[in-house]
Amino acid sequence: KAGVTQTPRYLIKTRGQQVTLSCSPISGHRSVSWYQQTPGQGLQFLFEYFSETQRNKGNFPGRFSGRQFSNSRSEMNVSTLELGDSALYLCASSTGLAGGQDTDTQYFGPGTRLTVL
Amino acid sequence: QKEVEQNSGPLSVPEGAIASLNCTYSDRGSQSFFWYRQYSGKSPELIMFIYSNGDKEDGRFTAQLNKASQYVSLLIRDSQPSDSATYLCAVSPGGSYIPTFGRGTSLIVHP
Repeated sequence: KAGVTQTPRYLIKTRGQQVTLSCSPISGHRSVSWYQQTPGQGLQFLFEYFSETQRNKGNFPGRFSGRQFSNSRSEMNVSTLELGDSALYLCASSTGLAGGQDTDTQYFGPGTRLTVL
Repeated sequence: QKEVEQNSGPLSVPEGAIASLNCTYSDRGSQSFFWYRQYSGKSPELIMFIYSNGDKEDGRFTAQLNKASQYVSLLIRDSQPSDSATYLCAVSPGGSYIPTFGRGTSLIVHP
């Protein structure tokens, strides 16, 4: 079974620009979560999408947004980029279904390394 | 606020030794516990998950869970230099809830 894929793997943008990152979950998984990872803050949860709806949200400003399509693929958008947005953005997929012990087991993609200049 | 605490390390052990990584959590309602390994510049990779009190073994890895004391640990037997990485602990109430991640412990296995 193919794993989680993310595109692009690397991005360089300048302040004020916007960026869109893409994530394709494991086949059959309906939940996609997004995380930002920086050396100083560790792994921080952005939001989770399940069946095209945002189900959980972290504590990030509105410049960070996302969406999920009917095939469970998800995109994350960051508008008006700031230097502090430079980070590794990780996508994780899980079944997301209620019931069963493995519904919250998350499998990560390779990440997108975003550098803001 | 749910918290997951890990010693940032680095934890340095000689090759062949047992590495012991610990994690404590604040939410008594937690049901699912995960250990991820993350190499520098790479994404986290799931090593093990555990749901019941006691030990769970998988090859050289053993996860130990004590819900009464609110801690979970990971033992790595016969440590190898290739085990050098950051180990992330994650804790969840279970079901469709998102796990809370610790900041990770850096492990260095020296020859």
